[in-house]
Amino acid sequence: DTAVSQTPKYLVTQMGNDKSIKCEQNLGHDTMYWYKQDSKKFLKIMFSYNNKELIINETVPNRFSPKSPDKAHLNLHINSLELGDSAVYFCASSDLGGSAFFGQGTRLTVV
Amino acid sequence: DQQVKQNSPSLSVQEGRISILNCDYTNSMFDYFLWYKKYPAEGPTFLISISSIKDKNEDGRFTVFLNKSAKHLSLHIVPSQPGDSAVYFCAARFNNAGNMLTFGGGTRLMVKP
Repeated sequence: DTAVSQTPKYLVTQMGNDKSIKCEQNLGHDTMYWYKQDSKKFLKIMFSYNNKELIINETVPNRFSPKSPDKAHLNLHINSLELGDSAVYFCASSDLGGSAFFGQGTRLTVV
Repeated sequence: DQQVKQNSPSLSVQEGRISILNCDYTNSMFDYFLWYKKYPAEGPTFLISISSIKDKNEDGRFTVFLNKSAKHLSLHIVPSQPGDSAVYFCAARFNNAGNMLTFGGGTRLMVKP
């Protein structure tokens, strides 16, 4: 009964494709996030989302968009994939004021 | 411009000794600090946190110290165990930013038996 789960764990795709990464949390948290870990291993916030507000890191290209069908899910859609999008993407969730729980990550490789 | 920095990319410690991991930050608006531990091919796992109104928080073998005037925090692990070998990330947040975390670059801790 994983708290935050993401699928797929690995994703290899060609440049120019559109892909999605799914995330689900069963913790009842109000807020979900997407983080990106680049080749230098830095973890950077991409989005923060709850049912009231989406906060976007201004450095994130608009080819990336979060979509939340309900409170327990926050999927990441990426259009027109580029080589530089290759990274590990982590989903996370938290209560307001609480610490974030992370998923296992999705390693995206764009070829 | 990195607002949270971990200047030591790696640290090697003998089992049973103390491990001290350091973290510096530049944004004085941060009001909450966290440490995460990460094993390969897994997501970061929350370890311990501290509010900016405190200077110390202890949980078992783990203690976090905060020096606000120096904008510095540290994580002490005593005694260190081989299972503590992992990458440790320092993170900071301020509450008016949707609880989004700003992470340091991580320190790889190796505890030798």
